[in-house]
Amino acid sequence: KNEVEQSPQNLTAQEGEFITINCSYSVGISALHWLQQHPGGGIVSLFMLSSGKKKHGRLIATINIQEKHSSLHITASHPRDSAVYICAVSPNTGNQFYFGTGTSLTVIP
Amino acid sequence: DVKVTQSSRYLVKRTGEKVFLECVQDMDHENMFWYRQDPGLGLRLIYFSYDVKMKEKGDIPEGYSVSREKKERFSLILESASTNQTSMYLCASSSGTSGRRSGELFFGEGSRLTVL
Repeated sequence: KNEVEQSPQNLTAQEGEFITINCSYSVGISALHWLQQHPGGGIVSLFMLSSGKKKHGRLIATINIQEKHSSLHITASHPRDSAVYICAVSPNTGNQFYFGTGTSLTVIP
Repeated sequence: DVKVTQSSRYLVKRTGEKVFLECVQDMDHENMFWYRQDPGLGLRLIYFSYDVKMKEKGDIPEGYSVSREKKERFSLILESASTNQTSMYLCASSSGTSGRRSGELFFGEGSRLTVL
């Protein structure tokens, strides 16, 4: 069973392009998380959100609770954005997290 | 700067050896987690702990045990390492207790274990 689905699995973009990664989930949640993992690196938290929209530099995360859907947008993409982006949710019950399988992004100069 | 620290970045062990992976967090978080990460399979939960001396099995607990004697420290133990336990192991922590939503998730740098 996959409580969290991400699309696309892989994404290649030219530098400067606008990028969107999608995340759908099937459980009731208290929060949704977007995480980033660079090749050979650890995982860092980009956003935690439970409603609306958050912005951090060139990254924007949105969530629609009614539709159980979130998007991560990257404006003016850069090769240093190349990483795996992982969507995770905190369900309403329990202290576990559910993870998507990640979206591997490559930005070509 | 908040931190989750894992004791070893790289380990090489032989089949049958006992392996200890240590994780320490300095954020006074209630919840701590051990995941393994394999290509194509994403993050899979091995065990988690929501309080000192408390533990819950995750999705793939077989062949693993854990220990949480102090709030800041969560150890993963492989009693008898096998080749199929070769993987990247990630520790994470978050705030939150039952009835209160989990906070932001913080990961350690990971421990890459190779079992020969």
